[in-house]
Amino acid sequence: AQTVTQSQPEMSVQEAETVTLSCTYDTSESNYYLFWYKQPPSRQMILVIRQEAYKQQNATENRFSVNFQKAAKSFSLKISDSQLGDTAMYFCAFMRGLGNEKLTFGTGTRLTIIP
Amino acid sequence: DTGVSQNPRHKITKRGQNVTFRCDPISEHNRLYWYRQTLGQGPEFLTYFQNEAQLEKSRLLSDRFSAERPKGSFSTLEIQRTEQGDSAMYLCASSSGGRDQPQHFGDGTRLSIL
Repeated sequence: AQTVTQSQPEMSVQEAETVTLSCTYDTSESNYYLFWYKQPPSRQMILVIRQEAYKQQNATENRFSVNFQKAAKSFSLKISDSQLGDTAMYFCAFMRGLGNEKLTFGTGTRLTIIP
Repeated sequence: DTGVSQNPRHKITKRGQNVTFRCDPISEHNRLYWYRQTLGQGPEFLTYFQNEAQLEKSRLLSDRFSAERPKGSFSTLEIQRTEQGDSAMYLCASSSGGRDQPQHFGDGTRLSIL
């Protein structure tokens, strides 16, 4: 079974600063996907960024980028030039195999952007 | 693309009652997923469908829980004889075919057991 661990229950950062959220996972699979989802207060879960395990290049989406360390089973999210709208719960998630299967989520990190 | 729709948004019921939730996926998405999220936790997988076929069920899905997707479109999740521990947010997600297609989530149904 896969496990996903987010060791930072809460974080806060000043607006415009950079913040990094940590995630580690455990799996025996060789082919898998990793995701970061954002869940704003009382709003739906939104995909932020995804990484395919066989791709060595780290994924980037505008201000969001990941540091994927496959050997260390680490998948951190960096948010640059943080904005007030980035305030949310952030969940790291794992999907095995060929995709389109179930997601295994971590417990989340509550990120607050301070004006 | 109208998004994943879930109804009702909130459900309050007494312990022992039966409840049913509905999920309408994004049109033409053939995969539909149910998750449960308790306070302070990440979502936990319950079950998923490809079209009308239920492909996997979690051990979390006791015999009091049943899910259907009769025509491969909307899905229902029923909980019989509700218990206090069933209080949670029930999330539905859908995705289209293809390895790189993400899951799109609905707003969820929040269940409160009195």
